[in-house]
Amino acid sequence: DVKVTQSSRYLVKRTGEKVFLECVQDMDHENMFWYRQDPGLGLRLIYFSYDVKMKEKGDIPEGYSVSREKKERFSLILESASTNQTSMYLCASSLRGGFNEQYFGPGTRLTVT
Amino acid sequence: KQEVTQIPAALSVPEGENLVLNCSFTDSAIYNLQWFRQDPGKGLTSLLLIQSSQREQTSGRLNASLDKSSGRSTLYIAASQPGDSATYLCAVHGSSNTGKLIFGQGTTLQVKP
Repeated sequence: DVKVTQSSRYLVKRTGEKVFLECVQDMDHENMFWYRQDPGLGLRLIYFSYDVKMKEKGDIPEGYSVSREKKERFSLILESASTNQTSMYLCASSLRGGFNEQYFGPGTRLTVT
Repeated sequence: KQEVTQIPAALSVPEGENLVLNCSFTDSAIYNLQWFRQDPGKGLTSLLLIQSSQREQTSGRLNASLDKSSGRSTLYIAASQPGDSATYLCAVHGSSNTGKLIFGQGTTLQVKP
């Protein structure tokens, strides 16, 4: 069965803290993605990676960075958390290529106070 | 720029009713379209993926159709049940080979017992 896991379901951090969100997939997928989901704005792509150590900016990369040291793990980093980064963060993965089915993790609800 | 629209934003039906959810997109040059289900506070579950060369896909009580020329997809749910209550999202893979999905805002379905 397809499995994408995220390190935390809920997270509360303070403004200015460095925050790490972890995503792990066990399907040997090459592509991994980070989205954020906000009411009224829908899902927006932050960053994606199509191979180890490779990364590409999505639509809203500002304030975020990513790391992919191993194929199964893709980390999203908030260098200095701000209140406008309070959101639901969703990780996804898919096979190599641009048009394969994406599988999502359970999400991390991040609150920055 | 590709835009995906789902109307209505919310729908309430009695149990047992057959229903159709709508998804439209502005650029017909898509590679595939994916339908997802999202329960409150949870991640996305992939329901169906329709390749651009296909007209429809079926999974159990779900049937998704795709008409690229008119920029429309529909998700048909037969014999609806209270457990079908959720938000349904459609997303398209555009012309770039990045795997980026462009999402609609979703339709929130409530099936009343």
